[in-house]
Amino acid sequence: QVQLVQSGAEVKKPGASVKVSCKASGYTFTSYTIHWVRQAPGQRLEWMGWINAGDGDTKYSQNFQDRITISRDTSASTAYMELSSLRSEDTAVYYCARLLGFFDLWGRGTLVTVSS
Amino acid sequence: QSVLTQPPSASGTPGQRVTISCSGSSSNIGSNTLNWYQHLPGTAPKIIIYSNNQRPSGVPDRFSGSKSGTSASLAISGLRSEDEAEYYCASWDDSLNGPVFGGGTKLTVL
Repeated sequence: QVQLVQSGAEVKKPGASVKVSCKASGYTFTSYTIHWVRQAPGQRLEWMGWINAGDGDTKYSQNFQDRITISRDTSASTAYMELSSLRSEDTAVYYCARLLGFFDLWGRGTLVTVSS
Repeated sequence: QSVLTQPPSASGTPGQRVTISCSGSSSNIGSNTLNWYQHLPGTAPKIIIYSNNQRPSGVPDRFSGSKSGTSASLAISGLRSEDEAEYYCASWDDSLNGPVFGGGTKLTVL
């Protein structure tokens, strides 16, 4: 079954880091890019960055440039998104998605709550 | 940051036709294709229109898309209760070198 399975919900304190995983199955992981998109409560979907699962090349949105690291483990067909220096405004659902000209495959989302 | 503009809400009665607009700029819609996603709470967004007017298999032909210049629209005909969802437009942005999304339009079937 072609799917992206994300890790579970996280609760973090301000200033901490979070690492969300996205495991691909049912297709050749290294043939696509994986993007990370988040949605804060009441806000629009916001693109964060992507990784070429084949060569590991990454591109980050300027909004997260200093705090985000996207990586992948090809042996595990898994992409990761790590966001550091968390603040309350980072409370959101984080999605991974596969790009095929458009996002044709999405994970179900990971809720990250930042609270003291 | 480049963003796309959508109306926050739309509504219609069963069987009606509704349209949702999306406007952008030359760096996104004006030079790239436009996609539409349907998003239900607690689920992953689902592609319903890609490349301006193409429907993925499994999406009913009640859904159609169009694009002109820096604007686009999604039309849903024969409205059904199960169409009640949030709809997002999205396009690649050449300035951002990444995708941009509209703010979402919540469709209510009255």
